[in-house]
Amino acid sequence: AIQMTQSPVSLSASIGDRVTITCRASQGIRNDLSWYQQRPGKAPKLLISDASSLQSGAPSRFSGSGSGTDFTLTISSLQAEDFATYYCLQGYNHPRTFGQGTKVEIK
Amino acid sequence: EVQLVESGGGLVQPGGSLRLSCAASGFTFNMYAMAWVRQAPGKGLEWVSDISGSGETTYFADSVRGRFSISRDNSRNTLYLQMNSLRAEDTAVYYCAKTKFQLLLDAFDFWGQGTMVTVSS
Repeated sequence: AIQMTQSPVSLSASIGDRVTITCRASQGIRNDLSWYQQRPGKAPKLLISDASSLQSGAPSRFSGSGSGTDFTLTISSLQAEDFATYYCLQGYNHPRTFGQGTKVEIK
Repeated sequence: EVQLVESGGGLVQPGGSLRLSCAASGFTFNMYAMAWVRQAPGKGLEWVSDISGSGETTYFADSVRGRFSISRDNSRNTLYLQMNSLRAEDTAVYYCAKTKFQLLLDAFDFWGQGTMVTVSS
């Protein structure tokens, strides 16, 4: 199974900060990667598909990049509602695998 | 409006069985692959299983293969997860999710609210 490794596991940031989360695949997965935001007690929400396509309704401050094994989710200017846990998911093959998550907390 | 509503969770003893349902609306259900994803308390997301739109193709995580089965009734717009031989480590919130572009390996663009399964004596 492909292993997805996110870093950092957690981070503290302030409103207005630029935040970058990394996801690394144990083998090349083309651009078959999606990013999700999960607030406490809520279902995950799709932010980015195909590594860089912003989901309809997701704020434009979110962007994704990368291909092959290294991927990045960037929040250009952190807002209060962005404090949550973020997950990457590979869609290259089965079994599908998520990263372990990155918790973004208020500094 | 797309809606996914899970039901069927609850408390079950180790070794027991449970069937989860996910009622779908707001899209052409039989055209989209669907999936189950779970989240143990305080833990991350874990993909469990998915099924093609026709129901002919299914995949399972190693942790549930041979114990869980996935199915769908396209006439009722409902997805199912039959869980047998349940273990304590199956305790989790179970979400159903819809694929974005119909394919099995697609991103999940809509999720249900989740149903809690607790396996304990």
